[in-house]
Amino acid sequence: QVQLVESGGGVVQPGRSLRLSCAASRFTFSTYGMHWVRQAPGKGLEWVAIVSSDGNDKHYADSVKGRFTISRDNSKNTLYLQMNSLSAEDSAVYYCAKGYYGSGGDVFDIWGQGTMVTVSS
Amino acid sequence: EIVMTQSPATLSVSPGERATLSCRASQSVTSNLGWYQQKPGQAPRLLIYDASTRATGIPARFSGSGSGTEFTLTISSLQSQDFAVYFCQQYNKWPLTFGQGTKVEIK
Repeated sequence: QVQLVESGGGVVQPGRSLRLSCAASRFTFSTYGMHWVRQAPGKGLEWVAIVSSDGNDKHYADSVKGRFTISRDNSKNTLYLQMNSLSAEDSAVYYCAKGYYGSGGDVFDIWGQGTMVTVSS
Repeated sequence: EIVMTQSPATLSVSPGERATLSCRASQSVTSNLGWYQQKPGQAPRLLIYDASTRATGIPARFSGSGSGTEFTLTISSLQSQDFAVYFCQQYNKWPLTFGQGTKVEIK
């Protein structure tokens, strides 16, 4: 069935960088906006970023703007999140999620299993 | 930023009873409101979008209502698998924002 599989999480020191990937399968990846959503341990959900289907339009949460970059490679059916200048407040499970409508503000109908990012010295 | 406020934080309900969860937006989101269910160790699952439309495969005991700033998720007769945390989310304006969640626990 439709699947999203994240990778790239791990333990990283404050101030360092990390890149997450999300491999999509069994749907037409190139026609949907894709999102990253994160969840700190024991906390609620926080939307992080969206990239449009063609990769040209991006929006970010204020908490990550200027530090994180979302991108995609439609030839590889893969979504990315480049995270720079990481701090402890960025520690969370990071989910990639497919937009239901595919463009603009959206709900998320398909989620990956999540990848844990821990920022600690 | 649109702030989404859910109430109550925790709802204790007996199996077979009705559960009513509320979500309030700090400004109108029209009908651009979704509901999710999350169980421990799992990713969220979309239940409702456009305030009242059930997502694919969601049982009829889940229903959503409301528009503007006041929304409700109703579970008509709680089953054992429904005990979980529920989040609302607005998608009317950037940034997309979630409520803090309502935990539905067994009474």
